[in-house]
Amino acid sequence: SQQGEEDPQALSIQEGENATMNCSYKTSINNLQWYRQNSGRGLVHLILIRSNEREKHSGRLRVTLDTSKKSSSLLITASRAADTASYFCATDAADYKLSFGAGTTVTVRA
Amino acid sequence: SQTIHQWPATLVQPVGSPLSLECTVEGTSNPNLYWYRQAAGRGLQLLFYSVGIGQISSEVPQNLSASRPQDRQFILSSKKLLLSDSGFYLCAWRRRGLNTGELFFGEGSRLTVL
Repeated sequence: SQQGEEDPQALSIQEGENATMNCSYKTSINNLQWYRQNSGRGLVHLILIRSNEREKHSGRLRVTLDTSKKSSSLLITASRAADTASYFCATDAADYKLSFGAGTTVTVRA
Repeated sequence: SQTIHQWPATLVQPVGSPLSLECTVEGTSNPNLYWYRQAAGRGLQLLFYSVGIGQISSEVPQNLSASRPQDRQFILSSKKLLLSDSGFYLCAWRRRGLNTGELFFGEGSRLTVL
């Protein structure tokens, strides 16, 4: 079953704008990860945030984690057409599995 | 560096036919291996994972099975495909152990059952 749920399901923005998507989950986690998927391709890992971290940056990506609310957000700043993709959060609990949400489809208009 | 290969990339199979999807990992030892399925426009559903040769955990009762005959080889099979088996199948690996960080995905196999 899916642990994480992304919101919104789809997002359309103009190039140069910021894109924000959220992820909510249900059970305790060790870390939360964000992945990107271009159409018809495999997923690529973007960033991992541990349960004892509140914010993490990687280039134009900013991830926050609020374990009290069981939620995370991914911000992509200064978006580019190449950022058009689906973005998934994945929760890593006390087992061997990562559970993925349904994803947010981001379209960046030139 | 590590690489993951998955094949075939695309296949169209009739209902009732067998299936074999293969995944191999290079450049690492004793990886945890995973098979996910993604329905059109949907998230990933974990089907199977393996923490060692011959050790397979099934997440969802279904028409599929998995095997790990070698350390870096993971095979997804079916004896008789159903229409509902159509989807995008993704193999992935991560370093051995619990909570060992990111998953590395293959490029996927798109299966259409007619």
